[in-house]
Amino acid sequence: GAVVSQHPSWVICKSGTSVKIECRSLDFQATTMFWYRQFPKQSLMLMATSNEGSKATYEQGVEKDKFLINHASLTLSTLTVTSAHPEDSSFYICSAFGTGLYEQYFGPGTRLTVT
Amino acid sequence: SQQGEEDPQALSIQEGENATMNCSYKTSINNLQWYRQNSGRGLVHLILIRSNEREKHSGRLRVTLDTSKKSSSLLITASRAADTASYFCAAGSGGGADGLTFGKGTHLIIQP
Repeated sequence: GAVVSQHPSWVICKSGTSVKIECRSLDFQATTMFWYRQFPKQSLMLMATSNEGSKATYEQGVEKDKFLINHASLTLSTLTVTSAHPEDSSFYICSAFGTGLYEQYFGPGTRLTVT
Repeated sequence: SQQGEEDPQALSIQEGENATMNCSYKTSINNLQWYRQNSGRGLVHLILIRSNEREKHSGRLRVTLDTSKKSSSLLITASRAADTASYFCAAGSGGGADGLTFGKGTHLIIQP
């Protein structure tokens, strides 16, 4: 149990365009979802925390107008990278936490390449 | 902010040997977790140790936690080539509803 999926697995987009990444909890209700970013050969950095039906809380240094997060239901959160630039190229990983669980469960990640 | 630090940054050992990785953190924690990540892939949760625990085992894994020193160690015994991966510690300040603060990771290479 406690499976989290992400879609797409990888995406290539042109500079200036926007791209949406989905994170779904498949077999539990995720009251809280998290978005992390990982640059090559580096660790994961928490970008934002979102609770279902509420606005996301962004970590210091993360532009909320650039990284739009929507957690409209208990099984889906989306991250939209607006006006993407090459420096936004990274591995984006979501995780989800739900009632009755003791830990977060991570999705497989989405690799974004902006050309 | 990044608060965890792992050492070593990279470790190469022979198959069958034991591998030890250390992690230090800066603030109070509720729990500390260890994850494995194969190159370019998602995270695999290995083990969670709570702040009131000192040692935990899971198969070939042994984790210790010293809250007085704000440090943890991960020991992998009888290493296998398939253990080659990056290992991260992640500090949890509350329950699972709080974001995790990851360490920089140790890249482990098991030589066959």
